[in-house]
Amino acid sequence: DAKTTQPPSMDCAEGRAANLPCNHSTISGNEYVYWYRQIHSQGPQYIIHGLKNNETNEMASLIITEDRKSSTLILPHATLRDTAVYYCIVRVAGSGTYKYIFGTGTRLKVLA
Amino acid sequence: GAVVSQHPSRVICKSGTSVKIECRSLDFQATTMFWYRQFPKQSLMLMATSNEGSKATYEQGVEKDKFLINHASLTLSTLTVTSAHPEDSSFYICSALHREGTDTQYFGPGTRLTVL
Repeated sequence: DAKTTQPPSMDCAEGRAANLPCNHSTISGNEYVYWYRQIHSQGPQYIIHGLKNNETNEMASLIITEDRKSSTLILPHATLRDTAVYYCIVRVAGSGTYKYIFGTGTRLKVLA
Repeated sequence: GAVVSQHPSRVICKSGTSVKIECRSLDFQATTMFWYRQFPKQSLMLMATSNEGSKATYEQGVEKDKFLINHASLTLSTLTVTSAHPEDSSFYICSALHREGTDTQYFGPGTRLTVL
């Protein structure tokens, strides 16, 4: 089972900040939180990841709460091209490696 | 950097035939690759973990004899759907594990398989 929960859908006005929440209450102390997005009929695109400090790159910012049980992905100025399904992932131990178990994600619709 | 390609992007085949899908890491070496399947309006489902030079590890419920995985080099993994049937029609996506830093997976663009 996925180790994260996200709201199924959100709307955001174009040009405004999109704030996508994720709960990961069972995350262990050394596990990263990864964010990806999937635009229709494409493979998931890596956005950002973090451990406990807030992170920012050219695509987004990631805010992780102090207890690390939740995080928020922020798209500072959403555009129509940001309409996608956003996945928050915490890795799960597999056979000799870690693997991703995808949850249902949040379907973000950016409105003109 | 960290680009993953898949070939073909789209394939249509007749029921009973086999189809091979290639996954390549273009600018990094990947000892581990993953194969996912995605049905319409659903999330990605992990099928198997592919390790270079060893047998793949399949998730529960995935038939290893039907979905053959070969990871013969550090930049190439292949998924062969054997004796395909219409219910195998799906979007197949691979990812490659980039071990620099924090083991991030980078995904290919996906392959749309339609079995007639």
